[in-house]
Amino acid sequence: AQSVSQHNHHVILSEAASLELGCNYSYGGTVNLFWYVQYPGQHLQLLLKYFSGDPLVKGIKGFEAEFIKSKFSFNLRKPSVQWSDTAEYFCAVNYGGATNKLIFGTGTLLAVQP
Amino acid sequence: GAVVSQHPSRVICKSGTSVKIECRSLDFQATTMFWYRQFPKQSLMLMATSNEGSKATYEQGVEKDKFLINHASLTLSTLTVTSAHPEDSSFYICSAPRRFVSGQETQYFGPGTRLLVL
Repeated sequence: AQSVSQHNHHVILSEAASLELGCNYSYGGTVNLFWYVQYPGQHLQLLLKYFSGDPLVKGIKGFEAEFIKSKFSFNLRKPSVQWSDTAEYFCAVNYGGATNKLIFGTGTLLAVQP
Repeated sequence: GAVVSQHPSRVICKSGTSVKIECRSLDFQATTMFWYRQFPKQSLMLMATSNEGSKATYEQGVEKDKFLINHASLTLSTLTVTSAHPEDSSFYICSAPRRFVSGQETQYFGPGTRLLVL
């Protein structure tokens, strides 16, 4: 079955620390990849997405992600986190074809200490 | 930017009653919308795909008679939880895909509806 896994359930960092959140997906051919963020009390917002082309994707708020096809991975990175980055981060995959539904990972809760 | 709204944002109801949740795309049309359920500290689980003008497509394990979906127009989908029970208490989220000129498609999510069944 198609699945998405996020290995880090909780991450605690100090401000200015670097961040990398892992995301792996099961094989399924052509994929479109997304990272969403959910700030406390708010709805899901798109951080970045990958459809094709340059595997290093830059998103909003200084986030970036790298698609490594051979590893079935799409890890999220930020060189220096801020307190305002405290949120839950979800990786999601669309396996293409006729359907545009998303399969989500379990999410990673990031807490940034000031 | 694209916005998706949900109403109500939270609802408390008695066991056995039915609850209707609305999902609207505010500045774009969506022939499909998606309904998710999110349990505490867990990910979003896709429940069903709402299709404008035709029947919804349900994911495996989701009771179609329990969760009625109606895609009334290109900007509105409703989810009705029928004869709700405490185990139906959850956070329900809808999303609508928007296709851009480039051909890429991005899902926009509503703020969610928190349902508590007593």
